[in-house]
Amino acid sequence: QQQVKQSPQSLIVQKGGIPIINCAYENTAFDYFPWYQQFPGKGPALLIAIRPDVSEKKEGRFTISFNKSAKQFSLHIMDSQPGDSATYFCAASMDTGRRALTFGSGTRLQVQP
Amino acid sequence: NAGVTQTPKFQVLKTGQSMTLQCAQDMNHEYMSWYRQDPGMGLRLIHYSVGAGITDQGEVPNGYNVSRSTTEDFPLRLLSAAPSQTSVYFCASRDRVDYGYTFGSGTRLTVV
Repeated sequence: QQQVKQSPQSLIVQKGGIPIINCAYENTAFDYFPWYQQFPGKGPALLIAIRPDVSEKKEGRFTISFNKSAKQFSLHIMDSQPGDSATYFCAASMDTGRRALTFGSGTRLQVQP
Repeated sequence: NAGVTQTPKFQVLKTGQSMTLQCAQDMNHEYMSWYRQDPGMGLRLIHYSVGAGITDQGEVPNGYNVSRSTTEDFPLRLLSAAPSQTSVYFCASRDRVDYGYTFGSGTRLTVV
């Protein structure tokens, strides 16, 4: 059972464009929604995260938009650069029970110069 | 260097062999977990631990065992390797307050 669905699978944008990656979750008990960035041969690294009590969070060029009623959240990358080319994963977790992350299937982003 | 250390980085096993993937963290994190990463499937939870002496199964636990005798270490054991266990394995940890998990650099395992 896939509890976090991510789209698109891959995305190509030009430098300066604004790629948007979307995720939808099913479990309303989730209370933490992070995005991870992964470069080839490396482990995932936390990029930005949001709690369900806010609708938007910005850190540098990265923004999370969160829609609690629709159970959806998205990542926007402003002024994208070739160095942003990586695989991005959304995830969700809760601070009870397993406390582990449930991941989306990932989006491979390519930013062309 | 503070962080999550995984060894080995690469391993080739024959079907039926056993081995242990090592994971150690020096951040005094209570929560640790193991994931496997396969193309197009994201990262799937194998086993997790919420403290020393406490472990439980994740989504894909079959064929794997874990133990957590200390806060620092969380080894993953493959009892009898199968080609379906060919994957990249990641260990991760977090503390009680900060929800953000720190990941190791992974172990790429091939079972032939």
